[in-house]
Amino acid sequence: EVQLVESGGGLVKPGGSLRLSCAVSGFTFSNAWMTWVRQAPGKGLEWVGRIKIKSDGGTIDYAAPVKGRFIISRDDSKNTLYLQMNSLKTEDTAVYYCTTTDYFDNWGQGTLVTVSS
Amino acid sequence: QTVVTQEPSLTVSPGGTVTLTCASSTGAVTRDNYPNWFQQKPGQPPRPLIYSTSNKHSWTPARFSGFLLGGKAALTLSGVQPEDEAEYYCLLSYGDGQPWVFGGGTKLTVL
Repeated sequence: EVQLVESGGGLVKPGGSLRLSCAVSGFTFSNAWMTWVRQAPGKGLEWVGRIKIKSDGGTIDYAAPVKGRFIISRDDSKNTLYLQMNSLKTEDTAVYYCTTTDYFDNWGQGTLVTVSS
Repeated sequence: QTVVTQEPSLTVSPGGTVTLTCASSTGAVTRDNYPNWFQQKPGQPPRPLIYSTSNKHSWTPARFSGFLLGGKAALTLSGVQPEDEAEYYCLLSYGDGQPWVFGGGTKLTVL
């Protein structure tokens, strides 16, 4: 059974940092491009960024609102995807989901990040 | 900045048919945009319905179909069921190295 489990969310002050994790099981993580998506409270879905697999160069692309502040990485030995979020703003408050990129067919339940003073 | 536009809301009667569309500010949506469609109900993660314009996942009900229509991506629900009431999102690709972009979502009411 495929599982994606996000963790690391919580309350952080503006300007602060937080690292989210997405632990996966049930498929070969090292062969999977992975994507982060977020959803602000009461709002729509927003594509955050995507990381390719190492054999495809491990290239990472980001959405404009997070470029330069967020860093996506992966540890294939731990079957885990990461999202390092720096210089957080109140508008980054959202539920953050990880998903497989090929067909967006597997999603976690999400983890809530609240940026507030 | 690329904007993907969906109808904010639509209403359909049970058993009816409704078509949701997804337009791109960059021009016509094509298969090269790899349109994806998702259904989301409150408090749940998105549920994928369609990928690459018209391909269904194994769990996608037969009444859902995706296609291109007049320069837009489209999702048709035929024989709508009460449980189809949800928010629907499209997602478009703009090529390697470019961000994917979600539409703003369509709130579908079954009434």
